[in-house]
Amino acid sequence: EVQLAESGGGLVQPGGSLRLSCAASGFTFSSYWMNWVRQAPGKGLERVASIKQDGSEKYYVDSVKGRFTISRDNARNSLYLQINSLRAEDTAVYYCARDHEQPGLFFDSWGQGTLVTVSS
Amino acid sequence: DIQMTQSPSSLSASVGDRVTITCRASQGISNYLAWYQQKPGKVPKLLIYAASTLQSGVPSRFSGSGSGTDFTLTISSLQPEDVATYYCQKYNSVSSLTFGGGTKVEIK
Repeated sequence: EVQLAESGGGLVQPGGSLRLSCAASGFTFSSYWMNWVRQAPGKGLERVASIKQDGSEKYYVDSVKGRFTISRDNARNSLYLQINSLRAEDTAVYYCARDHEQPGLFFDSWGQGTLVTVSS
Repeated sequence: DIQMTQSPSSLSASVGDRVTITCRASQGISNYLAWYQQKPGKVPKLLIYAASTLQSGVPSRFSGSGSGTDFTLTISSLQPEDVATYYCQKYNSVSSLTFGGGTKVEIK
């Protein structure tokens, strides 16, 4: 069974930093694109960042470029999101999501999410 | 960037009704479209990909259609457990993945 477990969220002041982690199990982690998707309270879904199987390609939504960094450790079956210079609008539940095996980047498995709250 | 517009933003229907949700892309995306269901307080769940392919385990009352710019998600007979918000997502370009704004489905 595919399992994705996020951690690392919390309350942080504007301008602060956090490192989110996602522990994966139940599948061959190194074979899949992996992604972070966020959802602000009461709002819709937004793909934040994606990383290719070997880490050679990374993509970000424009609003986080230069502030967020996605990375992965295939030996540890783990995905990370380093988030810096946090803003109030970054407040959201951050989901770790696995790419589907079919062509294209869409998400067939999701973690339960970790809440990031940016507030003074 | 290609924008994804869902309509309606919310709807209320009776159990057993046929429900249709529309997703429109501002430019053609072939059939690179997925649909998700998010029940209240739960994690999103993939329903359909490639515009019309049902994800394994999804009830057959769900179906998708469309290509190019206009897509629909249909629930053939609405059930109480289908109360959720539904999102479309385009994936024609890995550098620009976009979700629609969502359609909230309630029971009348």
